[in-house]
Amino acid sequence: SQTIHQWPATLVQPVGSPLSLECTVEGTSNPNLYWYRQAAGRGLQLLFYSVGIGQISSEVPQNLSASRPQDRQFILSSKKLLLSDSGFYLCAWSVGPGNYGYTFGSGTRLTVV
Amino acid sequence: KNQVEQSPQSLIILEGKNCTLQCNYTVSPFSNLRWYKQDTGRGPVSLTIMTFSENTKSNGRYTATLDADTKQSSLHITASQLSDSASYICVVSDRGSTLGRLYFGRGTQLTVWP
Repeated sequence: SQTIHQWPATLVQPVGSPLSLECTVEGTSNPNLYWYRQAAGRGLQLLFYSVGIGQISSEVPQNLSASRPQDRQFILSSKKLLLSDSGFYLCAWSVGPGNYGYTFGSGTRLTVV
Repeated sequence: KNQVEQSPQSLIILEGKNCTLQCNYTVSPFSNLRWYKQDTGRGPVSLTIMTFSENTKSNGRYTATLDADTKQSSLHITASQLSDSASYICVVSDRGSTLGRLYFGRGTQLTVWP
């Protein structure tokens, strides 16, 4: 069966420090991969999605970047964190048209201090 | 504009009672509608998914309905348990592209009291 791993679960980072959140998927090939941010009381906001290795699409301009060095690995990064980058970050994967297998990771709570 | 609206924003019920959560959407062209349960500090977990041709789908004590004509969906929870306390998110996918874009509601925060 397919599983998605996301880490770390929680992270406290100072302003100006770098960021690297990692997400890996097991049990499937060539998944679509996504990074979302969820602010308190708000809906999920799509940040990046990838349909293949090295293919990254950005949904909103921001201080973050994403990379997909391997088929089932998706990384969210920042060179210098801002206070506004604090939030709950979710990785997700799907396969095929219609995204029937849309599954979320367990999330990372990022607090920038 | 493609939107997903959920109501109520929050709901408190007593353990053992039933409740119904609502979702209205304007997403077009419609592909499918999902309900997710999200526990505090965790990722959303899928409860049901329905396509245009399906008007009801059950998963244990959870039953989702879909009226594609009026663009409304509901999630009915039967005999609620304390563990049902969570945020319930309605998500609608379009079929305007191969990737199928998802539109998220803001969720209904359900609290079940003993």
